[in-house]
Amino acid sequence: DAGVIQSPRHEVTEMGQEVTLRCKPISGHDYLFWYRQTMMRGLELLIYFNNNVPIDDSGMPEDRFSAKMPNASFSTLKIQPSEPRDSAVYFCASRGFTEAFFGQGTRLTVV
Amino acid sequence: AQSVTQLGSHVSVSEGALVLLRCNYSSSVPPYLFWYVQYPNQGLQLLLKYTSAATLVKGINGFEAEFKKSETSFHLTKPSAHMSDAAEYFCAVSEDTGFQKLVFGTGTRLLVSP
Repeated sequence: DAGVIQSPRHEVTEMGQEVTLRCKPISGHDYLFWYRQTMMRGLELLIYFNNNVPIDDSGMPEDRFSAKMPNASFSTLKIQPSEPRDSAVYFCASRGFTEAFFGQGTRLTVV
Repeated sequence: AQSVTQLGSHVSVSEGALVLLRCNYSSSVPPYLFWYVQYPNQGLQLLLKYTSAATLVKGINGFEAEFKKSETSFHLTKPSAHMSDAAEYFCAVSEDTGFQKLVFGTGTRLLVSP
């Protein structure tokens, strides 16, 4: 298995634009997590899904953030409109029976 | 709510020296504890986990950690550092058996000098 795949690896966008981050979890994993990593706040759990259903989105910072998981092999995290303070590395992780596996992250820069 | 505290944002050791990275946790119930490693421009990789079995947990790359309930600690150690161990290390805690919500510490960057 190729592991958790995130795209794009890097994204630079202008303030106010819509940004969509994508994640393909490991096949057979029934949990999917979105994390955000910044120098100031470290690693924060934004939202997680179980069997494609959002279970806890209490970490989503604002209504500008939304996440979907239309099927077991794909999830998106959307920011609309984006702001400079959204600049961070966004990680997707999936979990099967035991440990969580992380993708390589998307480095988002909002200018 | 559960939390972890990692003492020292940076730890420097010489190659061959003992590595000790500190983690203290706060949890209202018996916790599940994890150490992850992050290499530059990479995602997080699980080093080891404690899930209420043996208190001394061995992980990959020669790392181990000991769960000490009396000290609420889960420190990570390695007898002899290698240059390739230079990375950022994160301690994490979860109170639920499904590990749904991992709460991470702020991380410790390990620097290894020749």
